[in-house]
Amino acid sequence: QLQLQESGPGLVKPSETLSLSCTVSGGSVSSSSYYWGWVRQPPGKGLEWIGSIHYSGSTYYNPSLKSRVTISGDTSKKQLFLKLSSVTAADTAVYYCARTFDSSGSLFFDYWGQGTLVTVSS
Amino acid sequence: QSVLTQPPSVSAAPGQKVTISCSGSSSNIGNNYVSWYQQLPGIAPKLLIYDNNKRPSGIPDRFSGSKSGTSATLGITGLQTGDEADYYCGTWDGSLSSWMFGGGTKLTVL
Repeated sequence: QLQLQESGPGLVKPSETLSLSCTVSGGSVSSSSYYWGWVRQPPGKGLEWIGSIHYSGSTYYNPSLKSRVTISGDTSKKQLFLKLSSVTAADTAVYYCARTFDSSGSLFFDYWGQGTLVTVSS
Repeated sequence: QSVLTQPPSVSAAPGQKVTISCSGSSSNIGNNYVSWYQQLPGIAPKLLIYDNNKRPSGIPDRFSGSKSGTSATLGITGLQTGDEADYYCGTWDGSLSSWMFGGGTKLTVL
């Protein structure tokens, strides 16, 4: 069974960079049909896609966050990483990593991590 | 304000049927597959429906999806108290070059 586990600091200071990791277990990250991405959810609010990365290295980002986001991966360790710079209180959210199936026009998130809460506060 | 519009809340009695709508445009729902996600309180979202109307393994046939034009609908029959959750639609928006989620709909089973 595929599992995704997020990890990283739960508290980040305003203007600093939020850094999270996601470790994948129980499956391969090197399939052409899948991207690996991040979705966040501010407390009490809806879901927002941040961006995704393919094992080949190609990435795509939410245009509203693109200037501050970097997503990278280490296929040998089956990990993906999120960096979000210049954070503010508005970036306080539960951050999920998720696998995206992407093939022949079909696109959806089929596996999710449990999520990790990141609070931006001084 | 999401480009995919869902009603903030719906409710129905146990055993009844409910539908949740997701309205978009030609740049998103009109030209792309829609998926639906269930988020139980305090839990990560779970895929319920993909490619407009397909159910992943393990999802009961009480859950169904459909799409017509620029709108999609999630249907749930035989409502159970365990179905109380937030439901989100999602699809790719070609004009924005971004994945979009609807604002979410809170289902209450009275």
